[in-house]
Amino acid sequence: KQEVTQIPAALSVPEGENLVLNCSFTDSAIYNLQWFRQDPGKGLTSLLLIQSSQREQTSGRLNASLDKSSGRSTLYIAASQPGDSATYLCAAISNFGNEKLTFGTGTRLTIIP
Amino acid sequence: EAGVAQSPRYKIIEKRQSVAFWCNPISGHATLYWYQQILGQGPKLLIQFQNNGVVDDSQLPKDRFSAERLKGVDSTLKIQPAKLEDSAVYLCASSTDRVQETQYFGPGTRLLVL
Repeated sequence: KQEVTQIPAALSVPEGENLVLNCSFTDSAIYNLQWFRQDPGKGLTSLLLIQSSQREQTSGRLNASLDKSSGRSTLYIAASQPGDSATYLCAAISNFGNEKLTFGTGTRLTIIP
Repeated sequence: EAGVAQSPRYKIIEKRQSVAFWCNPISGHATLYWYQQILGQGPKLLIQFQNNGVVDDSQLPKDRFSAERLKGVDSTLKIQPAKLEDSAVYLCASSTDRVQETQYFGPGTRLLVL
């Protein structure tokens, strides 16, 4: 059974700094891994999707990496802004069974102006 | 392109009452998902539809939860009777194919059971 962990649960960073969010998963047989953003009272917005054959994906100031052998993924945010404040969730899809998303519990990020 | 629509946005009920949630996916999306997100946790898949057929409902508490997707478009999720532990946000998502593709989420319905 796939388990996804995100540590820390909360993180506060001064504006302008670069930061890294961590995600670990127990079963390396994944099809892909996704990073989502969730704002208070709203649904999830997909940020980046990394296929199992890829090592990383980039979108603007965001860069996500995937290391299947170690069961880890990171989300790097460059030059953080107050608008980046949100909860960030990672989710893995196992490439067996019914391929459902297994989510981590998220990291609540606060950017301090 | 319109996003995933959900209603109502908020619902407060007493335990043992019934409640229903509605979801309208993005046009053309064949796959529809219902997730339950308890405060402080990640979303948990309750049920997945491919068109109007059920692909996975292994984590749906079938003694009290039911869901349907008529004509392969809109979907409703019902809880009857509700328990205190059902208090959560219920998220609907859709995608163009199976879970290999990005899922697009609606704003969710926040349920409070008193």
